Amino acid sequence: TAGITQAPTSQILAAGRSMTLRCTQDMRHNAMYWYRQDLGLGLRLIHYSNTAGTTGKGEVPDGYSVSRANTDDFPLTLASAVPSQTSVYFCASSDGTGADTQYFGPGTRLTVL
Amino acid sequence: GQNIDQPTEMTATEGAIVQINCTYQTSGFNGLFWYQQHAGEAPTFLSYNVLDGLEEKGRFSSFLSRSKGYSYLLLKELQMKDSASYLCAVMDSNYQLIWGAGTKLIIKP
Repeated sequence: TAGITQAPTSQILAAGRSMTLRCTQDMRHNAMYWYRQDLGLGLRLIHYSNTAGTTGKGEVPDGYSVSRANTDDFPLTLASAVPSQTSVYFCASSDGTGADTQYFGPGTRLTVL
Repeated sequence: GQNIDQPTEMTATEGAIVQINCTYQTSGFNGLFWYQQHAGEAPTFLSYNVLDGLEEKGRFSSFLSRSKGYSYLLLKELQMKDSASYLCAVMDSNYQLIWGAGTKLIIKP
């Protein structure tokens, strides 16, 4: 089973350009999440979705947007990238039934120059 | 504020035992998770504790004391493949995970 897939694996982006990071899960999980991971810091939640059609802001949402048109897909868009958005981005999913385990995709390494 | 503290780095010897500590202060508590993350890879789930006490799963055990805001992950019979970062995360009252920065564990032969 694929679990969660993310694309692209890595990307170099010029500042000011837009980009969409893709995330797809095949586990029929209700909840999905986007995190960024930076050296020396814990994973930080950017946006989340508890179920298809709904989204919410996490700890660091500025400069990012998400949509959840269906259960499987949860794309993250950077409208106008800045160098501080250089990071590793992880998508995760869970059942969404309270204190449930989150399962992570392989990550996207993004460099903004 | 919410805070998760764990050591930045630890070194241990192959075949030995190592204990990785995690202390937390969060708004509400709905359980504590430990994840393993090898370099360049995604975090993978190791354990979940919501009640006080020790949970054993093969070579790995996880302990929780809610009154002390404290947990540890115990790894026995260390193998070279255990070299990784170990992430502590607490689920707060909103069912959001608050993550520590991770402990990088280096195993030496």
